Formats: sequence, structure tokens, C-alpha cells
Amino acid sequence: GENVGLHLPTLSVQEGDNSIINCAYSNSASDYFIWYKQESGKGPQFIIDIRSNMDKRQGQRVTVLLNKTVKHLSLQIAATQPGDSAVYFCAENEWGAQKLVFGQGTRLTINP
Amino acid sequence: GAGVSQSPRYKVAKRGQDVALRCDPISGHVSLFWYQQALGQGPEFLTYFQNEAQLDKSGLPSDRFFAERPEGSVSTLKIQRTQQEDSAVYLCASSIRQQETQYFGPGTRLLVL
Repeated sequence: GENVGLHLPTLSVQEGDNSIINCAYSNSASDYFIWYKQESGKGPQFIIDIRSNMDKRQGQRVTVLLNKTVKHLSLQIAATQPGDSAVYFCAENEWGAQKLVFGQGTRLTINP
Repeated sequence: GAGVSQSPRYKVAKRGQDVALRCDPISGHVSLFWYQQALGQGPEFLTYFQNEAQLDKSGLPSDRFFAERPEGSVSTLKIQRTQQEDSAVYLCASSIRQQETQYFGPGTRLLVL
């Protein structure tokens, strides 16, 4: 696949279980955070975002938690399905800077 | 609706050749971004346009890299005298305005031999 992922953290979960993917960010001035999903050979796909004035946001089967005190972001995926297998990236954006700064990425593998 | 499209999807170039990569953003999106993604890594910012104005090119790795968006819609990333280290996936993203969600295209995979 596109991401050999030799240095990517990996997470393996059983189909139907919940997954939690973690991300630490470094810029205390970042105020907008996004989770992207990237499948092999494709571009990053938007999953969910959160702004710094919130600490939790829910979507369909996904929840993002933001802890600004320890600069930590997490993505929770409920009832994981085979189609959730991908590399997941967190990204941060500092107000006024426009560009996204991406984290290392985590490869999620779903076991049947 | 139509998302961000990029062409070509794959490009093989001999070292020293010039290449041009095209991005068609989502219609009406004001902001356009180029990122470079090395194998096994997250995307890294190259440059940003707001309409036709290139407001940030701080991520361009050398003066061999040039981007333009002359009419505020389609953008082209040009790499002159390609080197092997330029091999990567080049991703384009657009957003409806500043500080809004960036939507990515499928990328152009460039291989320099």
C-alpha cells in the first residue's frame, strides 16, 4: 500500500469493538484540530473536527476529545467495521496560519 | 458533488526533467493548499493561495518548486529539474474560506528515477 508505515504506530482491534486513537500536539497556539482518514492510494478524508473552545464533539460513530491542558487529542470510533481500516492522522491549525500541521499517523487494522 | 481532482494521478520522471501537477479545487473554494507526503509520513505543507494570491510559500523546499493559480481556480505545481528526493505524493486541498475544513484530492504520485 501507499503507506508502508514502517514507523507508524499501529492499532489492531476486533471488528465490532471500539477504537481509540491518540494524538499529542505541540503548538499551544493551535485552535482548530481535525482528524483525517487515509486509505491506501487515496488522499486524506475529513472525519471530524473540533475547535479549541470545545472539549468534545460527536459525529456518526466518531467522537473527538480535546484536552488542551496536556495538549492531547483523541478519536474514538464506535463499533469498528472493516471499512475503518486505514491510517488516521490528526492535524492542527493555528489561527491565522492557514496551513495544517499533521501528526505522525496511526494505522488501524480491523481483525474479523 | 465533485471533490478536489488532481492530474495526473501518477507521474514518472527522469532526474532533471520538469513536471507540472494540476489541481482542480472544489468549485467556489477560495483557499487552495499544496502538501507533500513522503512514504509513511503525514502530509507537509508546501504553499497556500487565497484566490489568485499566493499568501504563504514557506513550505516550498527549494526554488525549483513553483506554484501558481492565475485565475483563482485551477492551480499548477511545477517542479523544475526534478531530483530523486522529490519523489512523493503531492496533495492538493481546498477550503471554502480561511480557517475552514480542508478537503483533499487523491494526490499525484511522483516517482523520479
